[in-house]
Amino acid sequence: SAVISQKPSRDICQRGTSLTIQCQVDSQVTMMFWYRQQPGQSLTLIATANQGSEATYESGFVIDKFPISRPNLTFSTLTVSNMSPEDSSIYLCSAQTGLGEQFFGPGTRLTVL
Amino acid sequence: GIQVEQSPPDLILQEGANSTLRCNFSDSVNNLQWFHQNPWGQLINLFYIPSGTKQNGRLSATTVATERYSLLYISSSQTTDSGVYFCAVVNTGGFKTIFGAGTRLFVKA
Repeated sequence: SAVISQKPSRDICQRGTSLTIQCQVDSQVTMMFWYRQQPGQSLTLIATANQGSEATYESGFVIDKFPISRPNLTFSTLTVSNMSPEDSSIYLCSAQTGLGEQFFGPGTRLTVL
Repeated sequence: GIQVEQSPPDLILQEGANSTLRCNFSDSVNNLQWFHQNPWGQLINLFYIPSGTKQNGRLSATTVATERYSLLYISSSQTTDSGVYFCAVVNTGGFKTIFGAGTRLFVKA
């Protein structure tokens, strides 16, 4: 299994600012992902965080808005840039083990005013 | 891409009742998981079950990969079972996990 921590757990931000969310896994994992969950909705994949190279983004998500880093096998960051109220959401980090099982962090609850 | 459909979308149970949640998927998968998202938003792994049957206490799950569905059984439900249950799959040859819309469960005391 994998235990994932995220910080911050929540934040309230002003429009136009940026927030960086950190994700730490307690063991080396093969893949790391970032998801967004809007209120009352399911999870939507933002991107796959690739170690040492650019993330792979899903349709509708771009690097300028959601820059992602993954400097090693256990750590990744997601930045939400130039925020607007529509970015208010829960952002979740996940990691997939070599066996294919996926685990999630506790999420970052973001409110943009 | 692969489609994941969960039913029912909403479910209200009296404490002690049993229930079955269903997940249908449109293509072959090499990975299927069931998660419970509690009222505080934490996603809890229930089962990693690309095929076969597993049991964990009052919960059990069965995946029939050839027929492209999975079932999650909850027996003797408790109020702490309330929350949203998600089915998530990775289709064969892929690596991205795709989530269903979830089943929102409320267990009344």
